[in-house]
Amino acid sequence: QVQLVQSGAEVQKPGASVKVSCKASGYTFTAYYIHWVRQAPGQGLEWMGRINPNTGGTDFAQKFQGRVTMARDTSVSAVNMELSRLRSDDTAVYYCARQGVDCSGVTCYPDYWGQGTLVTVSS
Amino acid sequence: DIQMTQSPSTLSASVGDRVTITCRVSQSISSWLAWYQQKPGKAPKLLIYKVSILQSGVPSRFSGSGSGTEFTLTISSLQPDDFATYYCQQLNSDSWTFGQGTKVEIK
Repeated sequence: QVQLVQSGAEVQKPGASVKVSCKASGYTFTAYYIHWVRQAPGQGLEWMGRINPNTGGTDFAQKFQGRVTMARDTSVSAVNMELSRLRSDDTAVYYCARQGVDCSGVTCYPDYWGQGTLVTVSS
Repeated sequence: DIQMTQSPSTLSASVGDRVTITCRVSQSISSWLAWYQQKPGKAPKLLIYKVSILQSGVPSRFSGSGSGTEFTLTISSLQPDDFATYYCQQLNSDSWTFGQGTKVEIK
């Protein structure tokens, strides 16, 4: 069965960096983008960017350009998202989700999500 | 950037009520629209994709409609398990945008 399993909760200080991982199983890893979406406490969903696990190519929301990187490790079917220069307003739950690259039907939509990783930024 | 305006932000309803949530988009997105349900502490769950196609396993009381820049999620008869927050999402461009969310509360 398809699963996206994320790494555990993190507490970081302002100015530091955090790396969150998303390990995929149950499908062809290189056939699906991995997107990252975050949700601040009590707030809505915010798209951060995506990576093509086949090529390593990335696209980021303008808001996060220069502060976020995404990398894949095809040997273990995982994607890492790193956010740097953390601020208190980066405190959020971070989710990964998949979307088909050459997709049709439901595979063009994020049908599977990770369980979420809480990142707390506090001094 | 494509903007999404979802309304209402909160909705109070009773079990058995018909509920409608609207999502307006700043430009045409063809059929690249999805709806999600989210419960506290959980990841969003895909309910409807391509405007009106029900995801596998989603009850038929959920339906989606619309075109171009205005879209609607309808729950025909609200059930206790449906009290949650709902989001619309556009996927027309390489970047995603979500609506602000609609919290469906018990009246």
